[in-house]
This record gives sequence, C-alpha cells and structure tokens, in this order.
Amino acid sequence: AQSVTQLGSHVSVSEGALVLLRCNYSSSVPPYLFWYVQYPNQGLQLLLKYTTGATLVKGINGFEAEFKKSETSFHLTKPSAHMSDAAEYFCAVTKSSGDKLTFGTGTRLAVRP
Amino acid sequence: DTAVSQTPKYLVTQMGNDKSIKCEQNLGHDTMYWYKQDSKKFLKIMFSYNNKELIINETVPNRFSPKSPDKAHLNLHINSLELGDSAVYFCASSQGRVLVTEAFFGQGTRLTVV
Repeated sequence: AQSVTQLGSHVSVSEGALVLLRCNYSSSVPPYLFWYVQYPNQGLQLLLKYTTGATLVKGINGFEAEFKKSETSFHLTKPSAHMSDAAEYFCAVTKSSGDKLTFGTGTRLAVRP
Repeated sequence: DTAVSQTPKYLVTQMGNDKSIKCEQNLGHDTMYWYKQDSKKFLKIMFSYNNKELIINETVPNRFSPKSPDKAHLNLHINSLELGDSAVYFCASSQGRVLVTEAFFGQGTRLTVV
C-alpha cells in the first residue's frame, strides 16, 4: 500500500522567498508522484508529476520537484513566492495508471507581503 | 470548455434525504473517480470506474451508490443522508491503464447536511 506524509500543515513565507513544501512517500513498488494545488473553493489542479525518467520535474507557475528514491521524498520548491501562490498543496502517489491516488494531508501555503 | 464538470456545486439538504451528484467528463478518459474531502481537507478515494466497470470500492457505506451510464459519466447517489456526510465531493477522470497520466478534477460539490 502507498502512503504520503506532508510535513507541516501550514507554511508561511514572505513574498519573494523560497518555497519548500515537503513530501515523503511509502510505496512497495516504484511510485508515480504528483503535486496538486487547490485554490479556495476550487478543484485540484495538477502542478507537476513524476512517472519515469528525469528526477527533477518542472511544473506550472515556476514550481519544480525532485524525486529522491534514497530519501523517499518528492519535495516541492519554487525559488520566489508570489502572493498568488497562496493555496493548499497536496502531494499524491499512485502505483499504476488508472489506479487511485493516495493523497497527503495537504499543506496550506500563506504568502506574506 | 470544462473538462470535468460536476453538478450541483452546492447542495444543502436535511438528514434522511436522498440526493445525487452528477459528473461528466469530455476528455475521452476511460477512468473516473469519486473522492471525498473532509473538513480537514483530507482527500480520500471512494470509487473508481473504468469503462463503466467498478474497479475500486473503498470502505464506503452502502448508502453511497455510484452509477456510470457510460464512460463519460459517473454519478453518485446518496441515500438517507447523515450529518457526517457533509463534505466536498470531487469527481475526477484519467486516461486508461496504458500510461500513467494525471487525474483531472472537477470543481467539487459542497454537500451540507443539516
């Protein structure tokens, strides 16, 4: 069974500062990893995904994440936070195509002016 | 042009009532899902259908019954609503089982049982 742990339910950064949202996974098979963002009262939107190949993946809005098998991590980063990045971020894992996503508990990102 | 659309967006109803949430996707995907997001924002899979066939059925009360008339639609019917059913329900779809692709989510249906 897969599981996802997101450290820090709330993260606050200043505008222009580095964003780092942590995600660790547990999987008995090679995982497929995703980051989703949820803006207030909206659905989930994919930021980026790792399936195979390059371990550093780039997504929308300047976000990127690196798959580190040795650390079982898939942390999300953005060099410079923008006010519009304030949202809830979810890390998710699945073991195969068409299978369910297992989500972490989410991290709420606040961006201070 | 909405990819995954759910109706209604908001649903307020009394305990004991029966209600349905509809979901449609125009992406041509083979697989559709229902997820429940509780008040703490935790997302959990409820059901998954692939080409109208039920493939995932998590531990969900029998009062919840999904129905997929075709692969573009997955509706959720809930009988005898309880206070604890209050949550946001998300429909999602993804491509079939050949490639790992992301799931596309609808905007959610906020169900409030009073």
